[in-house]
Amino acid sequence: SYDLTQPPSVSVSPGQTASITCSGDKLGDVFVSWYQQRPGQSPLLVIYHDAKRPSGIPERFSGSNSGNTATLTISETQAMDEADYYCQAWDSSTAVFGGGTKLTVL
Amino acid sequence: EVQLVQSGAEVKKPGESLRISCKGSGYRFPRYWITWVRQMPGKGLEWMGRIDPSDSNSNYSPSLQGHVTISADKSIDTAYLHWSSLQASDTAIYFCARQGYNQQFDSWGQGTLVTVSS
Repeated sequence: SYDLTQPPSVSVSPGQTASITCSGDKLGDVFVSWYQQRPGQSPLLVIYHDAKRPSGIPERFSGSNSGNTATLTISETQAMDEADYYCQAWDSSTAVFGGGTKLTVL
Repeated sequence: EVQLVQSGAEVKKPGESLRISCKGSGYRFPRYWITWVRQMPGKGLEWMGRIDPSDSNSNYSPSLQGHVTISADKSIDTAYLHWSSLQASDTAIYFCARQGYNQQFDSWGQGTLVTVSS
């Protein structure tokens, strides 16, 4: 099965830039989506097609994908960005999620 | 506004059967695949499988194939997740999500908590 690896946790100071990575074999050959999940809430799509933002998602959220690594970047991080973030890709007809990264804003 | 509304929390005993639902509104339900995602207590997201409501074509995660069944009734814009024999390890929150045209999961239900305990 296809595996996506994320760091368990990332910490960032308010106003700084946070980067969350997602690694997988030849990940750059497929499209990656990213989801934000705040405690007790449903996941929310924040990036799709590697770098596209859905309507309503702030420009502070951006994405990239090349080689074996996709990256979610959150600039000017705010307290409200504190959440779990999951990358996701497709392996043929099967969707795969990364293990998730807890972003702490402190 | 696109909405997916799921059925309420369930408490079941091991060996019992269960069906939970996910009703779509605000869009043409048959035109988008519906996916089911499991989140076990304190854990991450796990893709279970999906269904095309227009023809009920479905596929499953290899690790869950045979343990659950995904179905849909396009006449009432509803997808289902069914267990014939629950296990304690099925205790989790289950989310349905709409799969957009770029394969992303662009709208999510509120989640259904399933607790399986003797």
